[in-house]
Amino acid sequence: GAVVSQHPSWVICKSGTSVKIECRSLDFQATTMFWYRQFPKQSLMLMATSNEGSKATYEQGVEKDKFLINHASLTLSTLTVTSAHPEDSSFYICSARPGGAVGGTQYFGPGTRLLVL
Amino acid sequence: AQTVTQSQPEMSVQEAETVTLSCTYDTSESDYYLFWYKQPPSRQMILVIRQEAYKQQNATENRFSVNFQKAAKSFSLKISDSQLGDAAMYFCAYRSTSGTYKYIFGTGTRLKVLA
Repeated sequence: GAVVSQHPSWVICKSGTSVKIECRSLDFQATTMFWYRQFPKQSLMLMATSNEGSKATYEQGVEKDKFLINHASLTLSTLTVTSAHPEDSSFYICSARPGGAVGGTQYFGPGTRLLVL
Repeated sequence: AQTVTQSQPEMSVQEAETVTLSCTYDTSESDYYLFWYKQPPSRQMILVIRQEAYKQQNATENRFSVNFQKAAKSFSLKISDSQLGDAAMYFCAYRSTSGTYKYIFGTGTRLKVLA
């Protein structure tokens, strides 16, 4: 139980294009979803928190116009990197918190590796 | 603001031996949750163990156990009978019982298991 998927797992795009990453909770309803960014050999950096049907809350320093987050349903959240540039290349991870989860445990997706050329 | 510190960037353990990973945190809250997550080379984050601060009993999951010292704000992870598959990055995380449910992660400890 508590499986989270991400799609795509790997994406290469040209500079200036937009890329959408999907995060799905497969066997539970996710009240809250989180998006992280992870640089090589570093910890996870929280980008934003999203609740179904409401606007995402972005962490300080994260450009909300560049990283668009939509949490349209209790099982799907999307992250769109708009006008991507090479510095946006990174590993993006989503997580989801089931409603009423014991201890608010987050379950993580397998991540999406983005390379912007 | 809460902080989480993992002071060991890298640890090594011989297969079948026991290793302890350290985590300290700072908070003014009395109730919270602590977690250890494992991130193997696949980079999939896997929950190892969870501890509720209001529980005095240390959490245990098979070969994994914690030493939770609330007064000292310490939350170490002990891995017994280490296996090659335990090799990974281990992250300690803190979550408040109020607010947005977001985690605060430590910087991680890379565990190597020697055959």
